[in-house]
Amino acid sequence: DQQVKQNSPSLSVQEGRISILNCDYTNSMFDYFLWYKKYPAEGPTFLISISSIKDKNEDGRFTVFLNKSAKHLSLHIVPSQPGDSAVYFCAAIRPGNTPLVFGKGTRLSVIA
Amino acid sequence: DARVTQTPRHKVTEMGQEVTMRCQPILGHNTVFWYRQTMMQGLELLAYFRNRAPLDDSGMPKDRFSAEMPDATLATLKIQPSEPRDSAVYFCASGRYRGVGGTNEKLFFGSGTQLSVL
Repeated sequence: DQQVKQNSPSLSVQEGRISILNCDYTNSMFDYFLWYKKYPAEGPTFLISISSIKDKNEDGRFTVFLNKSAKHLSLHIVPSQPGDSAVYFCAAIRPGNTPLVFGKGTRLSVIA
Repeated sequence: DARVTQTPRHKVTEMGQEVTMRCQPILGHNTVFWYRQTMMQGLELLAYFRNRAPLDDSGMPKDRFSAEMPDATLATLKIQPSEPRDSAVYFCASGRYRGVGGTNEKLFFGSGTQLSVL
């Protein structure tokens, strides 16, 4: 039972354009959401997060949007760069000492 | 730069052999997680600890997997006996849980152990 779903296994975008990665969740108890980025042969690294009390969080080229009513979040990368090519994992967490729940990831390829 | 250290980086073994993976969490972090990455499941949680005490290991096949924290600087994940279906990348991650009212938020991951069971 996937509580965090990333329905697009892969995405290709041209350099300079916008990349939009999507994530859906089913558990309404989740109150904090994160995106991790993973390069081959490395562990995932934290990219950006958003609390459920917000609907948008921006950090440079990366913006995360949260739509609680739809249980949906998205990561926007503008402009996309070849170095952004990686696997992006969406994660969510409930209050308390509980673990992050990850989606299956979306492989982004930014083509020069 | 503080980081989570995992050893070995790669392990190739034969079915039936014991495999031990080790993790050194970031100093001062009080929670440690073991995740496994597979193509089918993505990142799935195997077990996690807070202040060295196991909180949840329901993600592990209990008959063959075991996770321990002998001390605050070492977490281990053992598979005995190993099977080909255990082939995956195993990640350790650590973080700081700030107590009642807080959450486990940003986790720091190690580089993983790539396990191949033949």
